[in-house]
This record gives sequence, C-alpha cells and structure tokens, in this order.
Amino acid sequence: DSGVTQTPKHLITATGQRVTLRCSPRSGDLSVYWYQQSLDQGLQFLIHYYNGEERAKGNILERFSAQQFPDLHSELNLSSLELGDSALYFCASSPRVGREKLFFGSGTQLSVL
Amino acid sequence: SQQGEEDPQALSIQEGENATMNCSYKTSINNLQWYRQNSGRGLVHLILIRSNEREKHSGRLRVTLDTSKKSSSLLITASRAADTASYFCATDGLDNDMRFGAGTRLTVKP
Repeated sequence: DSGVTQTPKHLITATGQRVTLRCSPRSGDLSVYWYQQSLDQGLQFLIHYYNGEERAKGNILERFSAQQFPDLHSELNLSSLELGDSALYFCASSPRVGREKLFFGSGTQLSVL
Repeated sequence: SQQGEEDPQALSIQEGENATMNCSYKTSINNLQWYRQNSGRGLVHLILIRSNEREKHSGRLRVTLDTSKKSSSLLITASRAADTASYFCATDGLDNDMRFGAGTRLTVKP
C-alpha cells in the first residue's frame, strides 16, 4: 500500500459528461502529480501541484482542470468527455518538489461510452 | 509529450537470464528513475540515479546513466517469473515535471 488513495476506482460515464477524480496524497506529502495512461501506453504527464500551487503543466487538455486544496488532496476535473478520454488516471505524491521518488495510487479507470 | 523512450518495447526471456532495458531522453535532468508496473496497477519505484552518478545498484538491479548521451539502462540479473511487468523510466526535469517513457514490457518465462 503506497498510502496514496484515489477514488473512485472505476467510473463509467457517457460522452459529453463531466467527472471528478479525487486523490489523497500520503500523509505529509506536498506534491501531487496527475497522469493519464491509455491502453498499453505510457504515462502522459498532465499536471503537478505543490502545496496548493500549480508547478508544472504537461499535455493537459483545456477540457481538463485540476486543483489542490488546503488539506492537500487534489481533484482532476474532466469535462465534455470524449471516447478517447477513456484511460487509467493515476495520481502520485512526493514530499517535496522533484529530486525524489513518487508514490502512486492504484488509479481510476475511466470508461467513456 | 513523452520525455523518455524505452527500448525495446517488449522483451521475452527465460527465468535465470538477465534483462536489459534502455531509456533515452531529450532534455537536462536532475535525476532519472525506474518504475515497475504490474498489469493495470499503480507504478512502484525501483531505483533513482542522480545526474552526477554513473551507476547504481539495488539488489538484482543495476542502473547506469550517461548524461552525455542522454541515456540510461536498467539491468535485472537472474530474472524470475515474478519480474514479469512493464518497466518505465522517468526523468525529473528542471521545470518541476516528472515525465515517463512508453515502457518496456518484460515477460520472464518459467
């Protein structure tokens, strides 16, 4: 158990809908990273938050947004969903910014039908 | 976009053999890390090598880093069936991102 909690584990929705994925980092970790993994693909970096502030942005679509709250949990909001958004979404946490390993959650499997 | 690219994409070996995976990246880094992913699960950190290090060992794992060639290799010695998984390199860049490659899918046959 990495100590990183992601909910829900599975999500099935329809095209055009909006969903929110939640991540609780390990106790004391200030950094949260979000990744998207499509079937048999590598991980696409979406966004990195540190202590409530955005630190780096990757290939995150304009339809997607994220935030980190004062209690350090993070949410990834996906709107106007398309079939191609179906993927595993992972969050990972670390104590600080960079230079250290990430602890991954078990992911949210999103299926857009 | 991906930062690292692993090579080969897939590798199949017999138990007891060594497995070597390579990773190339494009920009300057603070460190390079290797992770393992069992099918559909979260990634697990294996080893981290800093940009000023050339080689690092951890149990049956050996990692090398050549910053002049922007490449790294992961060697798993005396492989076991339980090593079957996907292996990813990740680069900790200078702009606070952590980017992963597409991974090498390793199959170790008993």
